[in-house]
Parts: sequence; C-alpha cells; structure tokens
Amino acid sequence: KQEVTQIPAALSVPEGENLVLNCSFTDSAIYNLQWFRQDPGKGLTSLLLIQSSQREQTSGRLNASLDKSSGRSTLYIAASQPGDSATYLCAVRPQAAGNKLTFGGGTRVLVKP
Amino acid sequence: GAVVSQHPSWVICKSGTSVKIECRSLDFQATTMFWYRQFPKQSLMLMATSNEGSKATYEQGVEKDKFLINHASLTLSTLTVTSAHPEDSSFYICSAPNTTGTGLSISPLHFGNGTRLTVT
Repeated sequence: KQEVTQIPAALSVPEGENLVLNCSFTDSAIYNLQWFRQDPGKGLTSLLLIQSSQREQTSGRLNASLDKSSGRSTLYIAASQPGDSATYLCAVRPQAAGNKLTFGGGTRVLVKP
Repeated sequence: GAVVSQHPSWVICKSGTSVKIECRSLDFQATTMFWYRQFPKQSLMLMATSNEGSKATYEQGVEKDKFLINHASLTLSTLTVTSAHPEDSSFYICSAPNTTGTGLSISPLHFGNGTRLTVT
C-alpha cells in the first residue's frame, strides 16, 4: 500500500526566504506526482505535475523535483511572499490505480511579512 | 482552463437528514470523478470513484449505503450523505480528470472548491 509522507508538517519563514518542502512515497511505481496548494477552507489548486519519466518541473518561482527511485519529491518556492502562506499537498498517482491519488499529510506554510 | 464546480460550498443540516452535493465539470467531459473527504488539519482521503453510467467504486471502510453516488452524465456526479450524523461533518471535495477526446487522462486532476458539511 502506497504511503505518502510530507515533512515538515508546518513551516514558518520570514518573507524573502526560500521554501523547501519535502514529500516521500514508499512505492516507486508511480505514474506521476502532483503538488497542490490549499488555502484554509478551500479546495485544491494544482501547482505542478511531474510525470514519472521527468526529473523536474518549473513554473515561475516554483520548482519541483522528482527522484522516483528513492521515492522523493521536493517543492522549492523561491523568494517567499506572505501570499504563499497555505497548505501544500503532494499526491502520487499509482500506475495500477488509474486516476486515484494518494495524498500526503501536507505542509502548512506561514510566510511572515 | 478546466474547471470543476462544486455546490453547495457549505451546508448545515440537522442530524438524520440527507444532504446532496453536486460536482460538475464545466468545460470538459469526465467519465470518472473522485470524491474525497478531509477532516480538520488532515489530508484528503479518497472515499469513492464515481463512474458515468455504472456503479461507484467505494474505498475500504466507506459505507456505500450512507454515501450514495450517482454519475448520471459526463459532466455531473452527486454525493448524497444519507441520515447524516455529527461525525459526518467534514470537508468533501470532488475531482475529475479531463478525458475528453482521447479517453485517456494525461492532464492533472482538477478539483472543486469543496463543500463544508456541518451536521448539528
């Protein structure tokens, strides 16, 4: 059974500092990995999707890397802003399970002005 | 971009009543939709997979008679929480892959904004 873990569970940084969020998964047989942002009481916003054949994806200040063999992904957010404060979730899509996602517990980020 | 609309965004109901939540894909077809539940400060847990034109597939531990799912068209899935109790209070979120055209999802899953259910 696939398990997804995110460390740390919470993170507080001053504005301008770079953020590093970690995600690990136990079964390396994945189809892709997706990073989401969730604001309190809201749904999920997809940030980046990395296919299993890819090593990284970039969008603006966001960069996500994937090391499938070691079961790890890292989300980097450069020059953090107070508006980046949210919960960040990673989710893996197993190869054998169609579109079902297994989510990590999330990292709650607070960027202090 | 692809949009998934979920309604209502919040609902308060009395114990013993039923509540229906709708999930619509606005600009794409979704033969499959997924229903998740999220308790406070916890991650999303998949409840069931909604399949257009056939029965939903429920995850282990989820009561199919309590959480009725209907996927009557390629753009609409509904989740009905029957005889709701306070322990059913949670945040329910649906998601859908865009399978229009190819029938094969190669795009990210798109999520609704969620429904906050409070059962008093």
